[in-house]
Amino acid sequence: AQSVTQLGSHVSVSEGALVLLRCNYSSSVPPYLFWYVQYPNQGLQLLLKYTTGATLVKGINGFEAEFKKSETSFHLTKPSAHMSDAAEYFCAVSSLYSGAGSYQLTFGKGTKLSVIP
Amino acid sequence: DSGVTQTPKHLITATGQRVTLRCSPRSGDLSVYWYQQSLDQGLQFLIQYYNGEERAKGNILERFSAQQFPDLHSELNLSSLVLGDYAFYFCASWGGLAGGGEQYFGPGTRLTVT
Repeated sequence: AQSVTQLGSHVSVSEGALVLLRCNYSSSVPPYLFWYVQYPNQGLQLLLKYTTGATLVKGINGFEAEFKKSETSFHLTKPSAHMSDAAEYFCAVSSLYSGAGSYQLTFGKGTKLSVIP
Repeated sequence: DSGVTQTPKHLITATGQRVTLRCSPRSGDLSVYWYQQSLDQGLQFLIQYYNGEERAKGNILERFSAQQFPDLHSELNLSSLVLGDYAFYFCASWGGLAGGGEQYFGPGTRLTVT
């Protein structure tokens, strides 16, 4: 079974400060890893993903994440927070169940990011 | 715009009633997922369909059911509604691993039960 742990259900940063949202995963197979963002009353939008290859992946809105296999982590960062970054962020890991021929994403519980002016 | 559509956007109904939520996946995507997002439970996977067949079940109540039709749209049926069913219901579609593995989410249906 796969799982995702997001450290911190709420994170507050000042505008212009570094954003760091933490995500650790467990997986028995090489994972696909994702970060999604959700603005109030909207669906989840893909920020970035890691499948194979380069471990530092860049996404939309200036976010990036680094896959560290030894640490089973996929932390999300942005050098300078903007007011528009205030949202909830979800980390997810993929799972391919060979028995059911099914593909699942396992989501973390989410981290709400507040940006203080 | 993810390409996934959901209707209705908002639904207000009473306890004991039955409602149907509709989802159309992105063009070409064969797989549809349903999720429930509530304040106390967070984002929970309910059920997955692939090309008309049920593929996986998550935390779906027996009062809830779903199906995927030949044109690939899907419907989630919620019956005997209780106040605790108040939540957002999201549909997502998946284009396969060759497409990158991500799921694309619709805008959701907000269900209010009074």
